[in-house]
Amino acid sequence: DAGVIQSPRHEVTEMGQEVTLRCKPISGHNSLFWYRQTMMRGLELLIYFNNNVPIDDSGMPEDRFSAKMPNASFSTLKIQPSEPRDSAVYFCASSPQGALSVNEQFFGPGTRLTVL
Amino acid sequence: SQELEQSPQSLIVQEGKNLTINCTSSKTLYGLYWYKQKYGEGLIFLMMLQKGGEEKSHEKITAKLDEKKQQSSLHITASQPSHAGIYLCGARLSGGYNKLIFGAGTRLAVHP
Repeated sequence: DAGVIQSPRHEVTEMGQEVTLRCKPISGHNSLFWYRQTMMRGLELLIYFNNNVPIDDSGMPEDRFSAKMPNASFSTLKIQPSEPRDSAVYFCASSPQGALSVNEQFFGPGTRLTVL
Repeated sequence: SQELEQSPQSLIVQEGKNLTINCTSSKTLYGLYWYKQKYGEGLIFLMMLQKGGEEKSHEKITAKLDEKKQQSSLHITASQPSHAGIYLCGARLSGGYNKLIFGAGTRLAVHP
């Protein structure tokens, strides 16, 4: 099993540019989560999907952030336009069965985003 | 998250020493998850606790959830340099969806 796959692993961009982060969850997992990790705020949940449907996006910082899950094997997190304060490590995680389950979440390696 | 307090923030121990990391909530925990993170990498799942008084062990790491389900501890026996990293506790604060909040983490260094 390849685990959760994220791309790119590192992204450096200039303020104002559009950034797209990608995630492939573990095959068969029904829930997908996007997190952001910074020194100041720690690990924060941005949004999570169950069966490709967004369940809770209350953690999305503002309208510049959007996430999609067009099918069970792919999700994107887009920032447009990006700002320096968006610099962080973005993690994707997936979990088996339904969002009501108590199974652990499996994390990807993260995307380190730097916005200059 | 301030809803989940971890202590200490950082810890430096000599190889072979025992140590304990705590995770405390003011609310009842419906599930408590311990993860380990190495710099530049993702989180690795260690253990999950659900029932009050539950205790689980894996190799030299033991995690407990208190009877009131508001506090968990992670204990490492005879620490080794391979135990170094950041330990995070994550918790479900409701019986609903599998939404986790995380503590700020405990940074552990083990010196040979």
